[in-house]
Amino acid sequence: DGGITQSPKYLFRKEGQNVTLSCEQNLNHDAMYWYRQDPGQGLRLIYYSQIVNDFQKGDIAEGYSVSREKKESFPLTVTSAQKNPTAFYLCASSMRQGRMNTEAFFGQGTRLTVV
Amino acid sequence: QKEVEQDPGPLSVPEGAIVSLNCTYSNSAFQYFMWYRQYSRKGPELLMYTYSSGNKEDGRFTAQVDKSSKYISLFIRDSQPSDSATYLCAIASGGYQKVTFGTGTKLQVIP
Repeated sequence: DGGITQSPKYLFRKEGQNVTLSCEQNLNHDAMYWYRQDPGQGLRLIYYSQIVNDFQKGDIAEGYSVSREKKESFPLTVTSAQKNPTAFYLCASSMRQGRMNTEAFFGQGTRLTVV
Repeated sequence: QKEVEQDPGPLSVPEGAIVSLNCTYSNSAFQYFMWYRQYSRKGPELLMYTYSSGNKEDGRFTAQVDKSSKYISLFIRDSQPSDSATYLCAIASGGYQKVTFGTGTKLQVIP
């Protein structure tokens, strides 16, 4: 079955630790995205990538880093510089048609909690 | 002013009711309109998308876009308890990079 897989589903981080959230897709999509969801704030874009080895900052990139070494993988690292990392993190991907990307499909999310 | 405004609800309706969910937006450059459904602790699921003004129907769901008023709606006919979820509007300009999501409206359909 084609889809987007995020792991782990739940993640706990101690203060000062870096943690990496995994996102893998087998949809052969070009573009991949990371969003953060907080209650009452909707989805906010952290980073996005249109092609392998290239990515751009979204609206709230501070304290996060990404890599795109393979088309199907777009891991997100939450660094110790992110002061309020507790949130629901969503990965998405979309296909490119011409100069436009099509609608995005989402993974099931990773809930990160700082302990 | 936020680029996309969406009433957070919650909205409670009896089973079988017609539900109307709405968003307004401020940027006339937006040209690509989507509705997502999100169940609790799950990722959003794409319900409908459209490029143009007017109506688009898919089963019990109808998406409506009025570009002149910068207003989009999602109608759900014969609502079911399984429709209970948060509904997110999403609006994009060309190229998709800049997709702006509404905050979501929480819907509860009561049996």
